[in-house]
Amino acid sequence: AQSVTQPDIHITVSEGASLELRCNYSYGATPYLFWYVQSPGQGLQLLLKYFSGDTLVQGIKGFEAEFKRSQSSFNLRKPSVHWSDAAEYFCAVNTGGFKTIFGAGTRLFVKA
Amino acid sequence: GAVVSQHPSRVICKSGTSVKIECRSLDFQATTMFWYRQFPKKSLMLMATSNEGSKATYEQGVEKDKFLINHASLTLSTLTVTSAHPEDSSFYICSAREWGEGGYTFGSGTRLTVV
Repeated sequence: AQSVTQPDIHITVSEGASLELRCNYSYGATPYLFWYVQSPGQGLQLLLKYFSGDTLVQGIKGFEAEFKRSQSSFNLRKPSVHWSDAAEYFCAVNTGGFKTIFGAGTRLFVKA
Repeated sequence: GAVVSQHPSRVICKSGTSVKIECRSLDFQATTMFWYRQFPKKSLMLMATSNEGSKATYEQGVEKDKFLINHASLTLSTLTVTSAHPEDSSFYICSAREWGEGGYTFGSGTRLTVV
């Protein structure tokens, strides 16, 4: 069965520091991959997505993610974190059907 | 870009009453919408897939008689929590996919509190 793992429940980084959030998936082929962000009490906003092609994907708010087939990973990165980036981040996988599977999420805390 | 409007954002109701949550695609047609439930500090769990003009497809363990889904038009899906109980208190989020676009656009969610 397909699954998505976000190993880090929460991460704390200093403002201005770089960020990497990990995501691993389990699926026989290459799925569609997504990263979403959720601010407290809000819905989800799509940061970026990977379907095919260039494995380094640029998203909104300065985020990027790299698909590594050999590692079944799709890690999210940002070179310099801002306090407004504090939120919950979800990695998601869609295997071509309608069902999207979400990881458990990683809570990002940003300290001044 | 695609916008999904969800209403209400917050609702408090008494046990035993029913609550309706609306999900609208504002600038695109969505033949399929999705309803998720999110428990505190947990990820999103798909409850059901809402299909325009036909019955919804419920995930295993979701009571279809408690969570009524109606998708009467290409831009509107509703979730009705019937005979609500405190354990139904949760954050409910809908999403829709615009054909030709990747990813799913999410509504802003509804915080349901049953007292």
